[in-house]
Amino acid sequence: AQKVTQAQTEISVVEKEDVTLDCVYETRDTTYYLFWYKQPPSGELVFLIRRNSFDEQNEISGRYSWNFQKSTSSFNFTITASQVVDSAVYFCALKPGNNRKLIWGLGTSLAVNP
Amino acid sequence: DTAVSQTPKYLVTQMGNDKSIKCEQNLGHDTMYWYKQDSKKFLKIMFSYNNKELIINETVPNRFSPKSPDKAHLNLHINSLELGDSAVYFCASSRGLAGRDGTQYFGPGTRLLVL
Repeated sequence: AQKVTQAQTEISVVEKEDVTLDCVYETRDTTYYLFWYKQPPSGELVFLIRRNSFDEQNEISGRYSWNFQKSTSSFNFTITASQVVDSAVYFCALKPGNNRKLIWGLGTSLAVNP
Repeated sequence: DTAVSQTPKYLVTQMGNDKSIKCEQNLGHDTMYWYKQDSKKFLKIMFSYNNKELIINETVPNRFSPKSPDKAHLNLHINSLELGDSAVYFCASSRGLAGRDGTQYFGPGTRLLVL
């Protein structure tokens, strides 16, 4: 089965807290890509990061960081010192092998309160 | 400057009408997609074209018909609109189909409301 699970449906934090959004994936392919997208309240879908299955290095971009662990089939996303502008729905997605389709998680709605 | 654009941004129409949504990308990508996002934010692929060839055709009512006049454009025509068609429709594009080229970039969405 090929699947993406974002177990956290909604998360609410107070500004400046750190928050981690979980993503667990399933695939039998050895080659695959993982993605995170952000959908702010304005509605657009913004690409954040792509990671291929052969690159387990963690990635940091400003306050955002991603932890890819093949041993636990997880690709978690951490926001450090969260801000109100981080409030959005965040989607994790998987593209296995030569599959033409992205397999999407159901999204995690993050609310950062002042 | 807009990479993937869609028109219109909002569409309010009556049941039974026919409507079209247009999408254009200026990224030079070969592959374009249509997605439907329902009220629970679930993203469902509908169609995909690669170099004007239909490569993904999910189980959607045949009232929905995509058309790709060229690589940079992918339009969606919907006949006999129904209440259940109300959703946000996203267009996306990617350089190719596989690997890093499969990274999809999305348009701003078209919010369709059928009354």
